[in-house]
Amino acid sequence: SQQGEEDPQALSIQEGENATMNCSYKTSINNLQWYRQNSGRGLVHLILIRSNEREKHSGRLRVTLDTSKKSSSLLITASRAADTASYFCATDENSGYSTLTFGKGTMLLVSP
Amino acid sequence: GAVVSQHPSRVICKSGTSVKIECRSLDFQATTMFWYRQFPKQSLMLMATSNEGSKATYEQGVEKDKFLINHASLTLSTLTVTSAHPEDSSFYICSALNTVKEQFFGPGTRLTVL
Repeated sequence: SQQGEEDPQALSIQEGENATMNCSYKTSINNLQWYRQNSGRGLVHLILIRSNEREKHSGRLRVTLDTSKKSSSLLITASRAADTASYFCATDENSGYSTLTFGKGTMLLVSP
Repeated sequence: GAVVSQHPSRVICKSGTSVKIECRSLDFQATTMFWYRQFPKQSLMLMATSNEGSKATYEQGVEKDKFLINHASLTLSTLTVTSAHPEDSSFYICSALNTVKEQFFGPGTRLTVL
């Protein structure tokens, strides 16, 4: 079942600007993951943040997790045209089965 | 990192035919694999969980007789779309869990049913 809800659904920015995407979920989780998907391609794993972590960095990516609000944000700093893609959050619910539930995604367009 | 492959990457078939999609973990053993479906401009929806040596567990609303899953070995799971129809046209993505429960995704298979 669909759990994560990303907003915005679409985001259009200029190169060099920062892009922030948000994700909300409904149940308790083990971890939350962010993926990128270029048009018509498979998923690329970006970052995983565990339920006991609040912030994580990887290169130009910064992810926060607020379990009290059941929300996460993905910040891409100094965006590039190559960052143009759809971004999905996925939650690993506390079920023991490791199934991922994906949000609807944010389509990011970075213009040169 | 771990690699998961899918074959074929793209398939076009006539309505009523069956199509088999393979998902392989290339450098690790996966007792559990997942199959997802993604319609254009939508998110991935989990279809089923495939466990090696046992029957797959299907999500609500997914017909098990329509989407046959066979996880015959620790490195291979197959999804067969039986009697495919145009509404089955979609992007099918598999993923595999390694022994520490990290999930790795395949590149996807685009199915077009004419």
